[in-house]
Amino acid sequence: DAKTTQPNSMESNEEEPVHLPCNHSTISGTDYIHWYRQLPSQGPEYVIHGLTSNVNNRMASLAIAEDRKSSTLILHRATLRDAAVYYCILIIQGAQKLVFGQGTRLTINP
Amino acid sequence: DAGVTQSPTHLIKTRGQQVTLRCSPKSGHDTVSWYQQALGQGPQFIFQYYEEEERQRGNFPDRFSGHQFPNYSSELNVNALLLGDSALYLCASSLVDRGLNTEAFFGQGTRLTVV
Repeated sequence: DAKTTQPNSMESNEEEPVHLPCNHSTISGTDYIHWYRQLPSQGPEYVIHGLTSNVNNRMASLAIAEDRKSSTLILHRATLRDAAVYYCILIIQGAQKLVFGQGTRLTINP
Repeated sequence: DAGVTQSPTHLIKTRGQQVTLRCSPKSGHDTVSWYQQALGQGPQFIFQYYEEEERQRGNFPDRFSGHQFPNYSSELNVNALLLGDSALYLCASSLVDRGLNTEAFFGQGTRLTVV
């Protein structure tokens, strides 16, 4: 399974931007990069995904490095409700599963 | 749209017993995947069902089995329960014709405790 590396934890302040990094040096050309988050006592929730180009949606932005070996999830203005574990996942072409790592536990300070 | 619904929300079983967990996918979704999440860990893929057949399986023993019904709902069965099977069991639904270039929707999970 393709591997991703994320920091175990990060901390930020409310209403400030948050940049969550992910390394995926073994990514192949057809692997998609997905981000999910898991709030306390809930199932994971889709955040965003991309292949090569940067992506924006109502929740976040995804910045993908030119060589695709790393990506960054950007929360533009963090709120207390963004406190969660964030998972960066590679979706291998032909695979039917999400392979979760340990994720990054994001703490937001008021 | 109710999203993905799982039942029951909590369950306590004794070692050696059998358990059945249920999942109804998001409306319009035809594919159901099951994950096991131990405390403090990320979810681990158990298997995926499409067209009432198991498409792919993770590294779980045969004690874990599943079923998908014609209405796309699914069951996860675990036989001969072990203490180590205590975990949050998550169901996720998606559309097979979108592959994984799309999002999966997860339910709230079933918290299974084996004593």
